[in-house]
Amino acid sequence: DTAVSQTPKYLVTQMGNDKSIKCEQNLGHDTMYWYKQDSKKFLKIMFSYNNKELIINETVPNRFSPKSPDKAHLNLHINSLELGDSAVYFCASSQEAPNTIYFGEGSWLTVV
Amino acid sequence: QKEVEQNSGPLSVPEGAIASLNCTYSDRGSQSFFWYRQYSGKSPELIMFIYSNGDKEDGRFTAQLNKASQYVSLLIRDSQPSDSATYLCAVISPKGGYNKLIFGAGTRLAVHP
Repeated sequence: DTAVSQTPKYLVTQMGNDKSIKCEQNLGHDTMYWYKQDSKKFLKIMFSYNNKELIINETVPNRFSPKSPDKAHLNLHINSLELGDSAVYFCASSQEAPNTIYFGEGSWLTVV
Repeated sequence: QKEVEQNSGPLSVPEGAIASLNCTYSDRGSQSFFWYRQYSGKSPELIMFIYSNGDKEDGRFTAQLNKASQYVSLLIRDSQPSDSATYLCAVISPKGGYNKLIFGAGTRLAVHP
């Protein structure tokens, strides 16, 4: 079983569309994250949730809206996609906030 | 100044040699330090973590921490071509009231036969 799973793995979409990426962890962790890795491979935190509560919200456009229905799930919805949103989005989780972080396999988003 | 800085590389070493990867951080309040390895097209995976000054060894890997100099390093002994990857240094920063794991931009390591 994959510990942190995210879907879809690949997503190609047009500018202006709205899309969602889903994430689930079966590790029993309390904290989940979304990271963005750009074309230069720089991995930057976007959001962090602890027991469904938002605790970190970096300077991210409000077109990005995370939602955590329960502590095992953290989804990312993106409105009005722009070319600059093209990146790899990694979901991750940890037992405490933060400790050793385990990453999902990544979602490759391409906006055309 | 970036919060976590690494030389982007590539660092090229021959097979069997010691690879030395370095990282500096800006927040003196940082307490926990991690090294992740990321193969091309894959997600980062944890190699080692270190909390105390000094050395920590795990197999072919040794992490070194010097909090006074705000410096973390990773040594890979007997480097293998399979070690070729990008190595990400990460630091827990307590800024802003919450602990955040901040990554450096990574150093690309190439081990050639």
